[in-house]
Order: sequence, then C-alpha cells, then structure tokens
Amino acid sequence: SQTIHQWPATLVQPVGSPLSLECTVEGTSNPNLYWYRQAAGRGLQLLFYSVGIGQISSEVPQNLSASRPQDRQFILSSKKLLLSDSGFYLCAWSVKDNQPQHFGDGTRLSIL
Amino acid sequence: DAKTTQPNSMESNEEEPVHLPCNHSTISGTDYIHWYRQLPSQGPEYVIHGLTSNVNNRMASLAIAEDRKSSTLILHRATLRDAAVYYCIHLSGTYKYIFGTGTRLKVLA
Repeated sequence: SQTIHQWPATLVQPVGSPLSLECTVEGTSNPNLYWYRQAAGRGLQLLFYSVGIGQISSEVPQNLSASRPQDRQFILSSKKLLLSDSGFYLCAWSVKDNQPQHFGDGTRLSIL
Repeated sequence: DAKTTQPNSMESNEEEPVHLPCNHSTISGTDYIHWYRQLPSQGPEYVIHGLTSNVNNRMASLAIAEDRKSSTLILHRATLRDAAVYYCIHLSGTYKYIFGTGTRLKVLA
C-alpha cells in the first residue's frame, strides 16, 4: 500500500533562517505531488504542484520554493523565513489529475 | 476559481445520520466532487468522490443533485470519531483543489 511521510512534525525557526521540509511517498511511481499551507482556522492553500522529476508549478508567489530531486521526494525550501511563513504545511500525492489526493500528517512551523 | 459553499458548523447526536450539504453552482460538466475531512493537527483524509451518480463507500455516501450544483455527504451513523471539519471541493482545471473553510461537525454523546 502507499504511504506518505513528512518530517519534522513540528519546527520552530527564527525569522531570517532557512527552511527545508521533506516529503516522501512509498508504494507508487510517478505520483503527482503537492505542497499546501494552512493558516490557523483556515482552509488549505495550494503552494506547489509537480507532475514529475524537476517539474514544479508555483501557485502563489512568495519566498518559498519547491524541488523534486527524485520521483517520490518533494522538498519545500526557503532561504530566509518571514513571520508570515508560520503555518501548517501539508504534502500530498495523487495517482494523476482529477484523482483523490492523499495527505501526510503535516509540519507545524512556527516563526519567532 | 471553483468555489463551494458550506455551512460553518453543524451538530449531530451520536448514532444518528448526518447530512452535510454543499453548493457548487460554478461546477463544470467534467469536474468531480471530492469530500475530505480533517481532524485537529492532522492532514485531510479523503472521504469520497463522485461525478454524476450517487456513490457509497465504507465511510459515507455522496448524493449529487441532478443539476450537479449541490451535493450532500451522508454519514449514516455518526460517532464521536466523526467530529472533524468536512471539506467539499470540486476541481478547477485538473488538479487545483480550492479548499474553503469547510463545515465543523460536532457530534454529541
């Protein structure tokens, strides 16, 4: 069966520090991969989307970036974090477009 | 952008059925309707999806209106573990989920 792993579960970072969040999927090949952010009490906002290695679509302009160095690995990065980057970050995968997405347990990021 | 409208909150008694409504008046003919639920501090969990016909699975049933402008998620017997925020989504394009604020379901013992 397919599984998705995200780490770390929680992270506290100072303003201006770099960020790297990692997501890996097991049990499937060539999945669509997604990064979302959820502010407190709000719905999810799609940040990045990838259909294959090295292919990244950005949905929201910001100081975050994403990379897909391997088929089942998706990384969310920032060179300098802002206070507004605080939130709950979720990685998801799907078999292909228009199919259900399956989410990881998320990373709660707090910026001090 | 694809937009859905759901009540902010609903309550149900344990062991009773729950009908969670969703309006999606901008849906196009090829958009699927997806439902997810989210427990506190967890990622959303897929519940069910459909296109035109009513759908059933082990978690819930999905009733889709004939004009497809609304749908209802049906939990046949609510349990305390069903307390969550429920999101109704239809796809704008082929991958772009637009999450609203969902319906917070409270289940009373």
